[in-house]
Amino acid sequence: DTGVSQDPRHKITKRGQNVTFRCDPISEHNRLYWYRQTLGQGPEFLTYFQNEAQLEKSRLLSDRFSAERPKGSFSTLEIQRTEQGDSAMYLCASSSVSGANTEAFFGQGTRLTVV
Amino acid sequence: QKEVEQDPGPLSVPEGAIVSLNCTYSNSAFQYFMWYRQYSRKGPELLMYTYSSGNKEDGRFTAQVDKSSKYISLFIRDSQPSDSATYLCAMSALDSSYKLIFGSGTRLLVRP
Repeated sequence: DTGVSQDPRHKITKRGQNVTFRCDPISEHNRLYWYRQTLGQGPEFLTYFQNEAQLEKSRLLSDRFSAERPKGSFSTLEIQRTEQGDSAMYLCASSSVSGANTEAFFGQGTRLTVV
Repeated sequence: QKEVEQDPGPLSVPEGAIVSLNCTYSNSAFQYFMWYRQYSRKGPELLMYTYSSGNKEDGRFTAQVDKSSKYISLFIRDSQPSDSATYLCAMSALDSSYKLIFGSGTRLLVRP
């Protein structure tokens, strides 16, 4: 399978704990995005990388959130001191920006439940 | 007011019907328009991608963009029960990030 892969698929954690999610993009894609989706809403942009550089962060990304893409391949999203409001689906997408082609492909997401 | 508005539904149709799904938007900078299908507890799956105005057809799906009205549509012909899902419109501007701005999604139910 050469699609976007996310791990874990589900995570239940206690409030105050730290969690880390992983995303493996489509191998030839240089752009990687993180989105968050809550029930009944569309995904909301959190941050994106071009290769290993993090180029934009949404104001939704509080200082408890940090994302990395150390070698321009996989990415991690860490949430420190989780709160119940962090419960959501965290989606990763990748794309290869060339010419007018900006199609983004999503992974299956990591569903986070903070209890 | 959200940048992208989409009727949440649910929209219930009989099998074989033509389905029309729509979104309106306010940002005239949007140039790329997409439709995603999302099954429950799964990630969004890209269905259609359109640059600027016009129509695009792919099998049973037709996407239309009317930039003058800031209105996009997705038509599904000969709808099937397997089309039952949430349909998300998404769009992005011609800027450096190409980040997607999504509608809230329309839930579609196709009855056998």
